[in-house]
Amino acid sequence: AQSVAQPEDQVNVAEGNPLTVKCTYSVSGNPYLFWYVQYPNRGLQFLLKYITGDNLVKGSYGFEAEFNKSQTSFHLKKPSALVSDSALYFCASSHSGAGSYQLTFGKGTKLSVIP
Amino acid sequence: DAEITQSPRHKITETGRQVTLACHQTWNHNNMFWYRQDLGHGLRLIHYSYGVHDTNKGEVSDGYSVSRSNTEDLPLTLESAASSQTSVYFCASSERYPPNTGELFFGEGSRLTVL
Repeated sequence: AQSVAQPEDQVNVAEGNPLTVKCTYSVSGNPYLFWYVQYPNRGLQFLLKYITGDNLVKGSYGFEAEFNKSQTSFHLKKPSALVSDSALYFCASSHSGAGSYQLTFGKGTKLSVIP
Repeated sequence: DAEITQSPRHKITETGRQVTLACHQTWNHNNMFWYRQDLGHGLRLIHYSYGVHDTNKGEVSDGYSVSRSNTEDLPLTLESAASSQTSVYFCASSERYPPNTGELFFGEGSRLTVL
């Protein structure tokens, strides 16, 4: 069975400061990892993914994430937070093994960027 | 522009009634999914389809059914609505195969209240 943990329900950061939203995963086989963002009353939007290759993945809106196999983590980062980054962020995982191709989502982390 | 639309966006119904939530995508994606979003649970997969006439049960499929008669549509039916099915429902689609290697495109969501 696979699982995704987002240990923080909420993260507060001042505008202009770097932000990190944490995600750890547990999968059998090679992990496929994703980050999505949800703005109020909207559907989720894809930010970035790690399938294979470089451990540092760059995505939309200046976000990036680092795949760390030894720590089973895939933390989302941005060097300088904007107020418009305030939203709900979801980490999701799958794996390369045969069988179900389904994504498992974390419970989400609410990011608040304070002006 | 291609898109994925859900209807209705808001619905209130009574316990025991049949409810159908529509999902229509114009990307010509083979893969379509239904998720429910509940506070503290993140997104949970209800049903999914990898093509016409293909349907599969997800993590929380009890009390729900889907049918796929064409590429564009995957309606979700609650046969006899229960208060536990009060939730926000999201439809999503994707084009990649394996389906867990590409991004999901989400609709705006349907908020269902069962009284």
